[in-house]
Amino acid sequence: QSALTQPASVSGSPGQSITISCTGTSSDVGGYNYVSWYQQHPGKAPKLMIYDVSNRPSGVSNRFSGSKSGNTASLTISGLQAEDEADYYCSSYTSSSTSYVFGTGTKVTVL
Amino acid sequence: EVQLVQSGAEVKKPGESLKISCKGSGYSFTSYWIGWVRQMPGKGLEWMGIIYPGDSDTRYSPSFQGQVTISADKSISTAYLQWSSLKASDTAMYYCARHGGYCSGGSCYRGDWFDPWGQGTLVTVSS
Repeated sequence: QSALTQPASVSGSPGQSITISCTGTSSDVGGYNYVSWYQQHPGKAPKLMIYDVSNRPSGVSNRFSGSKSGNTASLTISGLQAEDEADYYCSSYTSSSTSYVFGTGTKVTVL
Repeated sequence: EVQLVQSGAEVKKPGESLKISCKGSGYSFTSYWIGWVRQMPGKGLEWMGIIYPGDSDTRYSPSFQGQVTISADKSISTAYLQWSSLKASDTAMYYCARHGGYCSGGSCYRGDWFDPWGQGTLVTVSS
């Protein structure tokens, strides 16, 4: 199955808000509310930031929020901080192979 | 604390076999699915497959079906990812991660996310 489509890079200044998109199809993002988001710092394992489109795990800052419209999910980081600089990946359940698919990944740069 | 600890880095030659491990602790290992994810050098995450240690039910991504074998030994709370004949293109970091869905008291609950993740196992295949 094809990876979900994300912008290669997004940047913003400290304190600003940025949004990362994740576009799929009706077989994955658009068909189910099973989208999750992961943050990965260089040399580290991914960390769950959002699950089921818009839910935050315990311990994740409320500056991170998720939403979905049609076949596109979004992750918004508000009040951007230097520590938010990392790669971000979306993921969705996909019925096309009864499995999961990741997004292409987005590098977030804090200017 | 829920934790997944993976085996150490491996350096292998093409054609060799390999089995890497992922040991779970701090939770009921047989109640949660465990997934495996590949990250090739400088690239993104790729979902490989998932196993339910309770009964070894295993699902593979079409991209990895037949290329790897996922297994588990519930007696020692450990999941495995193995290759019978490595290729240079298998060079990557491999992560295990606990799936959000679980079964308890005869009922199963959906959870389509992965948390926590192991620290990763770097596999290098080179002649």
